[in-house]
Amino acid sequence: EDQVTQSPEALRLQEGESSSLNCSYTVSGLRGLFWYRQDPGKGPEFLFTLYSAGEEKEKERLKATLTKKESFLHITAPKPEDSATYLCAALITGNQFYFGTGTSLTVIP
Amino acid sequence: DTAVSQTPKYLVTQMGNDKSIKCEQNLGHDTMYWYKQDSKKFLKIMFSYNNKELIINETVPNRFSPKSPDKAHLNLHINSLELGDSAVYFCASSQGFSVGLGDTQYFGPGTRLTVL
Repeated sequence: EDQVTQSPEALRLQEGESSSLNCSYTVSGLRGLFWYRQDPGKGPEFLFTLYSAGEEKEKERLKATLTKKESFLHITAPKPEDSATYLCAALITGNQFYFGTGTSLTVIP
Repeated sequence: DTAVSQTPKYLVTQMGNDKSIKCEQNLGHDTMYWYKQDSKKFLKIMFSYNNKELIINETVPNRFSPKSPDKAHLNLHINSLELGDSAVYFCASSQGFSVGLGDTQYFGPGTRLTVL
């Protein structure tokens, strides 16, 4: 069964304390792995798409990487404004999107 | 300018009622979606339309019926509302399903439906 799992469920970091969020996937025919940020009361906001193992993308303090089984979202020297829920989603053959349940990140000043 | 808009933002109604949620996108995208996000923040796709044609129809009760009058609009009509329908419903759009930027989805702000 196609599945996307994110860990940890919640993460509290001190400002400046770097860490990584994990997205593990067991799907057939991965076409793309997406990362989104969701703030409370708002819709998900697109961050990155990764298409093949070994690919990396960066945006400000965020860097996303992809292997054949998982993706990581690395957060370097986070700031309080990085606090949000981070969602990953797998797009597979047949145009199906599978979302993980997200990691709730809190960055403490 | 709002790229993907939904109305209403909040919807509180009684069990058994029929309600609609409207969605409009001004991005010129060909594909639109409806998602349901439950209390545990799990997002699940419900429907997808490409150029007014239904292309994804996940296992949802047939009380839910999407309607796309044109490619910029995708409305969701729900009949005989049940308690379990309470959730946040998100509309989204993308350029298409081709690999590349066309797969990026842009989400609306959500509609919080509460069924009493």
